[in-house]
Amino acid sequence: GAVVSQHPSWVICKSGTSVKIECRSLDFQATTMFWYRQFPKQSLMLMATSNEGSKATYEQGVEKDKFLINHASLTLSTLTVTSAHPEDSSFYICSASGVGGARSYEQYFGPGTRLTVT
Amino acid sequence: TQLLKQSPQFLSIQEGENLTVYCNSSSVFSSLQWYRQEPGEGPVLLVTVVTGGEVKKLKRLTFQFGDARKDSSLHITAAQPGDTGLYLCAGGSYNTDKLIFGTGTRLQVFP
Repeated sequence: GAVVSQHPSWVICKSGTSVKIECRSLDFQATTMFWYRQFPKQSLMLMATSNEGSKATYEQGVEKDKFLINHASLTLSTLTVTSAHPEDSSFYICSASGVGGARSYEQYFGPGTRLTVT
Repeated sequence: TQLLKQSPQFLSIQEGENLTVYCNSSSVFSSLQWYRQEPGEGPVLLVTVVTGGEVKKLKRLTFQFGDARKDSSLHITAAQPGDTGLYLCAGGSYNTDKLIFGTGTRLQVFP
């Protein structure tokens, strides 16, 4: 149980274009989803927290107009990188929580999306 | 700002050796999770500890949450090449759903 998928697993785009990444909870309802960014050989950096039906809460230093997050349902959240630039190239990972009960504080991670902007 | 520092940062050992990874903070956490991440994949949850002083065992892995809920350790007995990966601790907050991730420990186990 508690499976999270991401699509696509990797994407290459040209500078100036926008890219959408989907995160789905497959076998549970995710009341909260999180988006992280990870640079090579480093730990995870939280970008934003999203709750179903409400606006995402962005971490300090993350541009909300550049990284658009939508949490339209209890099983789907999307991250859109707008007007991508090479410095946006990274590994983006989503996680979801809300399995319920006493373990609702645990986060279950998707497999990640490797974005390369050329 | 809550920070979780892991040590060591890197660890390279031979198969069969034992090792301990430490996760330390000056902040108190409501829970502490340990994850393992392999290259190009998302982190996989190994264990959650929620009670100060709690010890959990998962086959050759032993996890401990400090009495004061500020630190944790992961001990691996008789490491195997399959244990290779990035180990991340993450602390839960009393006030939010967010996790504070540790700096990570990269483990390499050679056959």
